[in-house]
Amino acid sequence: GAGVSQSPSNKVTEKGKDVELRCDPISGHTALYWYRQRLGQGLEFLIYFQGNSAPDKSGLPSDRFSAERTGESVSTLTIQRTQQEDSAVYLCASSFGSSVSYEQYFGPGTRLTVT
Amino acid sequence: AQTVTQSQPEMSVQEAETVTLSCTYDTSESDYYLFWYKQPPSRQMILVIRQEAYKQQNATENRFSVNFQKAAKSFSLKISDSQLGDAAMYFCAYRGSNTGNQFYFGTGTSLTVIP
Repeated sequence: GAGVSQSPSNKVTEKGKDVELRCDPISGHTALYWYRQRLGQGLEFLIYFQGNSAPDKSGLPSDRFSAERTGESVSTLTIQRTQQEDSAVYLCASSFGSSVSYEQYFGPGTRLTVT
Repeated sequence: AQTVTQSQPEMSVQEAETVTLSCTYDTSESDYYLFWYKQPPSRQMILVIRQEAYKQQNATENRFSVNFQKAAKSFSLKISDSQLGDAAMYFCAYRGSNTGNQFYFGTGTSLTVIP
């Protein structure tokens, strides 16, 4: 009965370094979302995976951002050459399917700080 | 693009009283879903309530209810008999039937419950 988990919980990195953030969705959930939440702001959609379909990458802010998902399991969000404006909480969510009627279940997020 | 506006950055309410959080949105779609999410300090986003645009009846979930005004593009959340555990950030979100996989979030309202 585990929920969505994310690791690490917090990450501090130096400007210019690459970081990898991990998301473990709920077992059986075919849809997976990544969001970015800057301080004092709402969630920004980054990328969406649904089963084995091609991901919807329309929210990725630059080519420094990429994400992968193996089948219907773990996903990793990679940010290359991090910049200070990348500092934010990165949230992952999964749902049973792509229909909007399915509830999204969120993880606790990874707080990324770029110094 | 769709926009979601929450004009109240902060709200407070006395315990056991009622509070209403406002949300407006902009869309040209006729079929869509609206959501209210709660984000406590733990960062875990939790779905509070959901409304389908084609349903005229306002959604209710225990102490939480919405006032959905489709023509005015307004979707407010009413919390009755407020409890200390209701203190959190509340986000309004939109997902259209024709706008793919994106959820659009407002900037949030921070709710304080005064004992």
